[in-house]
Amino acid sequence: NAGVTQTPKFQVLKTGQSMTLQCAQDMNHNSMYWYRQDPGMGLRLIYYSASEGTTDKGEVPNGYNVSRLNKREFSLRLESAAPSQTSVYFCASSGTSPGTQYFGPGTRLLVL
Amino acid sequence: AQSVTQLDSHVSVSEGTPVLLRCNYSSSYSPSLFWYVQHPNKGLQLLLKYTSAATLVKGINGFEAEFKKSETSFHLTKPSAHMSDAAEYFCVVSDQSTGFQKLVFGTGTRLLVSP
Repeated sequence: NAGVTQTPKFQVLKTGQSMTLQCAQDMNHNSMYWYRQDPGMGLRLIYYSASEGTTDKGEVPNGYNVSRLNKREFSLRLESAAPSQTSVYFCASSGTSPGTQYFGPGTRLLVL
Repeated sequence: AQSVTQLDSHVSVSEGTPVLLRCNYSSSYSPSLFWYVQHPNKGLQLLLKYTSAATLVKGINGFEAEFKKSETSFHLTKPSAHMSDAAEYFCVVSDQSTGFQKLVFGTGTRLLVSP
């Protein structure tokens, strides 16, 4: 039981490049989330998926897109990376208690 | 809108002394409140949660928090710090304004524990 897994762990991009962050959970959870963590700002919600087949914007969705591929997988795409997107990205999932979220280990993204 | 304010960005304690991490919340309805912990280079883990049952909530690793409505506070405490408690702690409030419960995180408090 791996919980929530994220790939890659670390990525360097040049401005304008695109990439997809992958997330998978093996807990049969309905809901999944993408956050970004920046120093002194806590975690901010980018997008979430309340259930398979649905996605909704969070607090900071600009510059990102998401896909809920199936119940297990929820990917985050940066179409044209910008230096302001340098951050640590966390994926999380939750089951019947939405406040109890399980987090992946994070992806460190540096955009030059 | 729901929000939390963590009053200290850093707290330093000696091993074996009490820990107090302060959090005030703002909510237009009876809130659900949480504390999450993040150890260095790790994801976040739930420490404890308050969901309108007992006002004193016990969590993992000896931590507890008390919900005080009159003070709009939800401070995290531990009687005796251990070196392994060094981490960043986030106070979190639930936001159900869209009909789906989302979490709103505070800015975090870094706990430093010295020998």
